[in-house]
Amino acid sequence: QITLKESGPTLVKPTQTLTLTCTFSGFSLRSSGVGVGWIRQPPGKALEWLAIIYWDDDKRYSPSLESRVTITQDTSKNQVVLTMTNMDPVDTATYYCAHRKGVSYFDYWGQGTLVTVSS
Amino acid sequence: DIVMTQSPDSLPVSLGERATINCKSSQSVLYSSNNKNYLAWYQQKPGQPPKLLIYWASTRESGVPDRFSGSGSGTDFTLTISSLQAEDVAVYYCQQYYTTPNTFGQGTKLEIK
Repeated sequence: QITLKESGPTLVKPTQTLTLTCTFSGFSLRSSGVGVGWIRQPPGKALEWLAIIYWDDDKRYSPSLESRVTITQDTSKNQVVLTMTNMDPVDTATYYCAHRKGVSYFDYWGQGTLVTVSS
Repeated sequence: DIVMTQSPDSLPVSLGERATINCKSSQSVLYSSNNKNYLAWYQQKPGQPPKLLIYWASTRESGVPDRFSGSGSGTDFTLTISSLQAEDVAVYYCQQYYTTPNTFGQGTKLEIK
């Protein structure tokens, strides 16, 4: 059974760096083709794809956020970490991590974590 | 980036009636080498993460009721709910995974008329 869970601060101040952790079970990021992505959703708004990391450490980023976002993995801990610098109130959103196999859809999602950016 | 545009933004439908949601991509998401459309549909209910309904444009995810169906190819896609049930009230998103960033549509809010 595949599960994912996001964790991290619920409140960050403007200009600070956000670090979110996705802890997963039921699959291995060492398995060929497997990837874990991050998606966010501002309150009442649409989903926005942020980044993805694959089993071979291939990483892809949204061009609009690439200068601010870093995705890494810790396969020993079954975790994927998203770092976003220079946070702004417009980055207030629920952040989700999700599983995929190969170049495909997200079939399993975490419950999401709401991050508020405010002074 | 590939822009995904859904229509309508909001859709009121009577219980038992058909609901049709459209999704248009700014460029084709059909990969010619395998003849697959890299297009998925998700359902999101309030306070919940998105749930995968359809992938490869027309393949229903395991456990999804057969009243949900997907169709289309290239740049134009449709999600159809053949007979609306109360539990289908949600926001529906299309997503292309043909190229990164794997963009989503703006969502269609399906409600009971």
